[in-house]
Amino acid sequence: SSELTQDPAVSVALGQTVRITCQGDSLRSYYTSWYQQKPGQAPILVIYSKNNRPSGIPDRFSGSSSGNTASLTITGAQAEDEADYYCNSRDSSGNHVVFGGGTKLTVL
Amino acid sequence: QVQLVESGGGVVQPGRSLRLSCAASGFTFTNYAMHWVRQAPGKGLEWVGDIFYDGSNKYYADSVKGRFTISRDNSKNTLYLQMNSLRAEDTAVYFCARDTGTVEAGPNQYFPHWGQGTLVTVSS
Repeated sequence: SSELTQDPAVSVALGQTVRITCQGDSLRSYYTSWYQQKPGQAPILVIYSKNNRPSGIPDRFSGSSSGNTASLTITGAQAEDEADYYCNSRDSSGNHVVFGGGTKLTVL
Repeated sequence: QVQLVESGGGVVQPGRSLRLSCAASGFTFTNYAMHWVRQAPGKGLEWVGDIFYDGSNKYYADSVKGRFTISRDNSKNTLYLQMNSLRAEDTAVYFCARDTGTVEAGPNQYFPHWGQGTLVTVSS
């Protein structure tokens, strides 16, 4: 199997830019997707594959990847972006999906 | 639009069984792999397993392998999760999710569609 590591918590000032990272060996082989989750709600896909945004996701959300690290960047963070963010990908076998432990984003 | 509605959650004693269902609508169910993802109270997301579009292949997380079984009834557009030998650590909200994969390419890890989740509490 494979593990994906995220920082437990990150904060950003309103309107500033924040990067949330996800590390794992399998990221050298498989693309990542990113999910936003607010309390009591199902996760929402915000970025998938190389750097694709589903319909309705603001363009301040973007994704990138280098080596074993994938990143979610929010450019001009808004108060409504305060949430938990999870990355996911595949494990080294390719048969299992793995999630990162999640990052709690606080917008100050 | 795509709708996924889970049901079947509740309180169950350790060692007992429970079956969850996920009713799908708004898309051609037979064209997509389906997944179960769970979230223990106050914890992160954990992938439970998936099933190919035709049920031909299934994969499970190590934490549930041998105890949980995923199945689907394509005539009823319904996904199932049979959970046996339940443990306290299986307490979680269980979500079903659909990915963006195709019949040809197989499942992927991109989940744009989720149900609202159903809570399973394993407690004596």
